[in-house]
Amino acid sequence: AQKITQTQPGMFVQEKEAVTLDCTYDTSDPSYGLFWYKQPSSGEMIFLIYQGSYDQQNATEGRYSLNFQKARKSANLVISASQLGDSAMYFCAMREGQAAGNKLTFGGGTRVLVKP
Amino acid sequence: DTAVSQTPKYLVTQMGNDKSIKCEQNLGHDTMYWYKQDSKKFLKIMFSYNNKELIINETVPNRFSPKSPDKAHLNLHINSLELGDSAVYFCASSQVLGYHNEQFFGPGTRLTVL
Repeated sequence: AQKITQTQPGMFVQEKEAVTLDCTYDTSDPSYGLFWYKQPSSGEMIFLIYQGSYDQQNATEGRYSLNFQKARKSANLVISASQLGDSAMYFCAMREGQAAGNKLTFGGGTRVLVKP
Repeated sequence: DTAVSQTPKYLVTQMGNDKSIKCEQNLGHDTMYWYKQDSKKFLKIMFSYNNKELIINETVPNRFSPKSPDKAHLNLHINSLELGDSAVYFCASSQVLGYHNEQFFGPGTRLTVL
């Protein structure tokens, strides 16, 4: 079974609107972390936001927020007030407990294109 | 100033050749990683080193040999390159003990095997 699933291969969003990128995960480890990374066309991987499995509140970082629903095993990324520079691939990733060596397991990514 | 650097950025070579990719981090992190991103943009862990010790080896062919001379460096040597090795290879680093252990990625090395 896939550990991280991103069901939206691609989506368009109008500039200045909000967009939600879906991510569901599968783990039996009670201690895990969820990450979102952005990969623009230039290719680098940019860390956006983190949510720990024990965090009580949803993470926020500027225009990025994470809608963490633990019981549903989902960690959707919300980008508010989209900008043209937000056009990129977005990856959801999970780090399971220490025993897994801190590796990140990535989803397949969602390509976002912001329209002016 | 660069946190995680990789050289070279582009590598074009013939099948059967041997090549190396170098990675250095100046963040003082204790763990370094190699990831492979295929043509469909799927990212997968290959190796991880913690304090120069190999801790993850994700069923990568033994033509791939990582080497970590010290905590700040993790190199990847690939023998007998095959067409299927064409991909972007990312180095990353993180500090294991920390709040969220975010991994910082290098710029990637695009390997093309002809």
